[in-house]
Amino acid sequence: QKEVEQNSGPLSVPEGAIASLNCTYSDRVSQSFFWYRQYSGKSPELIMSIYSNGDKEDGRFTAQLNKASQYVSLLIRDSQPSDSATYLCAVGNSGGYQKVTFGTGTKLQVIP
Amino acid sequence: SQTIHQWPATLVQPVGSPLSLECTVEGTSNPNLYWYRQAAGRGLQLLFYSVGIGQISSEVPQNLSASRPQDRQFILSSKKLLLSDSGFYLCARRGGGSSTDTQYFGPGTRLTVL
Repeated sequence: QKEVEQNSGPLSVPEGAIASLNCTYSDRVSQSFFWYRQYSGKSPELIMSIYSNGDKEDGRFTAQLNKASQYVSLLIRDSQPSDSATYLCAVGNSGGYQKVTFGTGTKLQVIP
Repeated sequence: SQTIHQWPATLVQPVGSPLSLECTVEGTSNPNLYWYRQAAGRGLQLLFYSVGIGQISSEVPQNLSASRPQDRQFILSSKKLLLSDSGFYLCARRGGGSSTDTQYFGPGTRLTVL
């Protein structure tokens, strides 16, 4: 059973701080990794994708991937109350029909 | 843009009643389409995927079925709903171009079975 594990939270950080969200996955042949943000009652929206070991930055967001440790993380700098949401980690196999396995998400609360 | 439409947005149905949820996609042809369910406190569960008209693969055996009568239309159905069918149903499409390994979601249908 391929699994993606996340701490459910809630993770509470003060406004302006760095939020660190973590994710581990079990399938060593996974090739693509994603972070989605899901506001309450809404559908998930893609924040970032990462495919190679190391860091990938996009604005206030940085995704980090370590395939040897089977670990993916998302850093949010200068956290804002509008960042309060559930963050889903997802892992893909890039296979014929592209199956993606999702974690259950970490709820982030940014305190003003 | 490649927009996904889902309807209805919300639905309350009694146990044992039938179900039909519709997903349509704009702006792309022959997309790979997916149905997911998100139950309260649980992760996204892949239910069905389709790579073309009439081509459906099931990931989880249950009382749901899916059909793809047209290139950009994907339908989720049930003959008799169970309480456990309650959840947030999401249609997704596979990205194109440089993002073929990315999935994009529609707005979802929230189903409550009473």
